Amino acid sequence: GQQLNQSPQSMFIQEGEDVSMNCTSSSIFNTWLWYKQDPGEGPVLLIALYKAGELTSNGRLTAQFGITRKDSFLNISASIPSDVGIYFCAGLNHGGSQGNLIFGKGTKLSVKP
Amino acid sequence: NAGVTQTPKFRVLKTGQSMTLLCAQDMNHEYMYWYRQDPGMGLRLIHYSVGEGTTAKGEVPDGYNVSRLKKQNFLLGLESAAPSQTSVYFCASSYRAGGINGYTFGSGTRLTVV
Repeated sequence: GQQLNQSPQSMFIQEGEDVSMNCTSSSIFNTWLWYKQDPGEGPVLLIALYKAGELTSNGRLTAQFGITRKDSFLNISASIPSDVGIYFCAGLNHGGSQGNLIFGKGTKLSVKP
Repeated sequence: NAGVTQTPKFRVLKTGQSMTLLCAQDMNHEYMYWYRQDPGMGLRLIHYSVGEGTTAKGEVPDGYNVSRLKKQNFLLGLESAAPSQTSVYFCASSYRAGGINGYTFGSGTRLTVV
């Protein structure tokens, strides 16, 4: 089946630093989504991308839909302690037989004050 | 709005026992999903439903059954729990097919099978 490769698996950064993570796939996706999961909670949608090349921001977060439609990137600027959590990418191929979101395995972010 | 509510939040089962996890959504969503989350494995789809009265298998359906008798509820059953089913279970729902606008997740059920 389709798989998403999300990297890095984990990150330990200092408060104030910028963060970059990415997701790649061997298949083309028509939609890319980025979720954040706080400890003990369910994932919450951060950003949705629907068009190749699209760049979308949500506060300090910026995500891009790769031109090839096989990758997506998430950047967090000036990290703060509340950015701690697991970030998931998810892709959707509208023409797929299931039409369900495919999730990456997540990037665990730790921020040192 | 409550969104997606999962009950119970925590449960400990003995091997061989059965239980049902309840997911309820108040957003009139057609589509509902059950995932399990294990360390390093991300979110894996167990079963899903594209409408009241329908269910379908996901990536890891073995050992689980589901029912969607009412549009707002999606039940996940374990008939004979095994230690391998120790996990955090998440329910999600979406309005559109394939969740184009994203899924709304519940806060999870942490299940331990001893």
